Amino acid sequence: EAGVTQFPSHSVIEKGQTVTLRCDPISGHDNLYWYRRVMGKEIKFLLHFVKESKQDESGMPNNRFLAERTGGTYSTLKVQPAELEDSGVYFCASSQDQSDRIAKNIQYFGAGTRLSVL
Amino acid sequence: GEDVEQSLFLSVREGDSSVINCTYTDSSSTYLYWYKQEPGAGLQLLTYIFSNMDMKQDQRLTVLLNKKDKHLSLRIADTQTGDSAIYFCADRGGSQGNLIFGKGTKLSVKP
Repeated sequence: EAGVTQFPSHSVIEKGQTVTLRCDPISGHDNLYWYRRVMGKEIKFLLHFVKESKQDESGMPNNRFLAERTGGTYSTLKVQPAELEDSGVYFCASSQDQSDRIAKNIQYFGAGTRLSVL
Repeated sequence: GEDVEQSLFLSVREGDSSVINCTYTDSSSTYLYWYKQEPGAGLQLLTYIFSNMDMKQDQRLTVLLNKKDKHLSLRIADTQTGDSAIYFCADRGGSQGNLIFGKGTKLSVKP
């Protein structure tokens, strides 16, 4: 079974440009999460999808960030326009459906996308 | 807000036991986790423990939970050089289940 996959693994862009990160969760996982680790800081929650619906987007830093999960499968996170402080590693995680009390609380992470904004 | 703290570095000799400590603030935590990140890799779930448990053992890994003191530890027995990595403690925070992470403890294992 394939794990959580993220693309690209590394992106280098200039300030003001747009970048789109993609996450493919484990097949059948309804829950999809985005997290971010800025250099030297903790891994911070950004938002949570249940299927195609945004369940919690309280961690999104500002309106330059847009996440989508059309069809409830893969998700994209777009940063437009990118700023220097957006540099960091963006992680995606997924967990099983809401009906399984234990499984829904076990999140499996991808390898992350390292974003460098110059 | 909720917070998770852990020491940043730990160095041990191969064959020794490693103990990585973590404290958290959320008294309503139901699940606590240990993730491992090897260089260039993603976060690998090592183990988790329910808040109604005191201890969980899985091969070389032992997790101890002191709910009264909000203290979690991960013990790695017979530490090997392949255990060198960053270990993250995480707490299931919020009503929606997002994880709250510590900054990670970098474990260095010397031969």
